[in-house]
Amino acid sequence: EPEVTQTPSHQVTQMGQEVILRCVPISNHLYFYWYRQILGQKVEFLVSFYNNEISEKSEIFDDQFSVERPDGSNFTLKIRSTKLEDSAMYFCASREGQYTDTQYFGPGTRLTVL
Amino acid sequence: GEDVEQSLFLSVREGDSSVINCTYTDSSSTYLYWYKQEPGAGLQLLTYIFSNMDMKQDQRLTVLLNKKDKHLSLRIADTQTGDSAIYFCAVSRPGNTPLVFGKGTRLSVIA
Repeated sequence: EPEVTQTPSHQVTQMGQEVILRCVPISNHLYFYWYRQILGQKVEFLVSFYNNEISEKSEIFDDQFSVERPDGSNFTLKIRSTKLEDSAMYFCASREGQYTDTQYFGPGTRLTVL
Repeated sequence: GEDVEQSLFLSVREGDSSVINCTYTDSSSTYLYWYKQEPGAGLQLLTYIFSNMDMKQDQRLTVLLNKKDKHLSLRIADTQTGDSAIYFCAVSRPGNTPLVFGKGTRLSVIA
């Protein structure tokens, strides 16, 4: 069964460093999302992406964050200058299309900022 | 904005039924989901229901929706130790809208 994949599974970085989290959505899906989950807290929406542009973003998704679909398969989340509070599990999700609203999630990348 | 609430903990004995409850505030929420998260793992879609349905059954899982009260529940029949996990309720409006999650209910199954 097709699934969303994410790499790396765990990333450790120093505060102020840039990180890029990678996702490969399900191949025929058109809508892509990033969510994050700080340890013990709710899963929070960051950004949605469709047709090579951001559809919607939350207050969390400030200028330090960016997303890109550099080729036909990858979907990336970049954090330009990481802060301690960026430590969280980051989930990528994808959705097939206009008439299918179910979002399928990847296994997540655990980001630890030291 | 939308708010989704769940009780944080539920403990049941193996073989009993578990009922996990969820309430939401936005009456235009059309799609309602249950996700399961095992320790250290991602979010596994368990089941979902559309707002024009009252009930959906899928093997051991039964989802009940009371749209008037904006109340969603997930019943797991014959709960097994492998069902121990955090269960998230999530809702969304039609179209390309983000999911809004509850805080999750940690289900502990006692053998």
